[in-house]
Amino acid sequence: EAGVAQSPRYKIIEKRQSVAFWCNPISGHATLYWYQQILGQGPKLLIQFQNNGVVDDSQLPKDRFSAERLKGVDSTLKIQPAKLEDSAVYLCASSSPSGGGNYGYTFGSGTRLTVV
Amino acid sequence: AQSVTQLDSHVSVSEGTPVLLRCNYSSSYSPSLFWYVQHPNKGLQLLLKYTSAATLVKGINGFEAEFKKSETSFHLTKPSAHMSDAAEYFCVVSDRGSSNTGKLIFGQGTTLQVKP
Repeated sequence: EAGVAQSPRYKIIEKRQSVAFWCNPISGHATLYWYQQILGQGPKLLIQFQNNGVVDDSQLPKDRFSAERLKGVDSTLKIQPAKLEDSAVYLCASSSPSGGGNYGYTFGSGTRLTVV
Repeated sequence: AQSVTQLDSHVSVSEGTPVLLRCNYSSSYSPSLFWYVQHPNKGLQLLLKYTSAATLVKGINGFEAEFKKSETSFHLTKPSAHMSDAAEYFCVVSDRGSSNTGKLIFGQGTTLQVKP
């Protein structure tokens, strides 16, 4: 099966600029996650979608971060305005209750964001 | 609330010697536990998952982990380290048991160094 697709792979922006990341999950996976991985730390969940509804966004900095999954398939994560501390790898993952490969969870390769 | 604690931030072994990466978990119900590996500038790769079917879980590349409920531990082991095992390892717990729809909660990671 095709994996979780993310773009772009790398992005460098100046602070206070805006940026958007895109994710296309595994076909048929209803649950989609965005994680933030700061250098030297484990990934931290930003937001979880079930179809096009938000399940958990408790750790999303809503004053600057937003995410949507309009048709319950692909998703975009936006940061506006960016801060230096937003420099991180942004990982998208999807899962299915029926399991399958990777025991139900599949991660994309991530987008590495550098804010200068 | 579910959480994991990786007891060592850095482990160094010689090639050919055993590997032990330690993880303790906290969960209010029967957990789903995972070990992921992340090589430099690469995505997250699933090593193995505990699904309650068997306490000793075998994964890829010769790794295995043992679930010990009495000790709330899920340590990762490998009999003989290879140079290619040098990477960052994450112990992970799902907050919804085995449903494959819960969020994954990552530990801080253990860096494995393998010396020639």
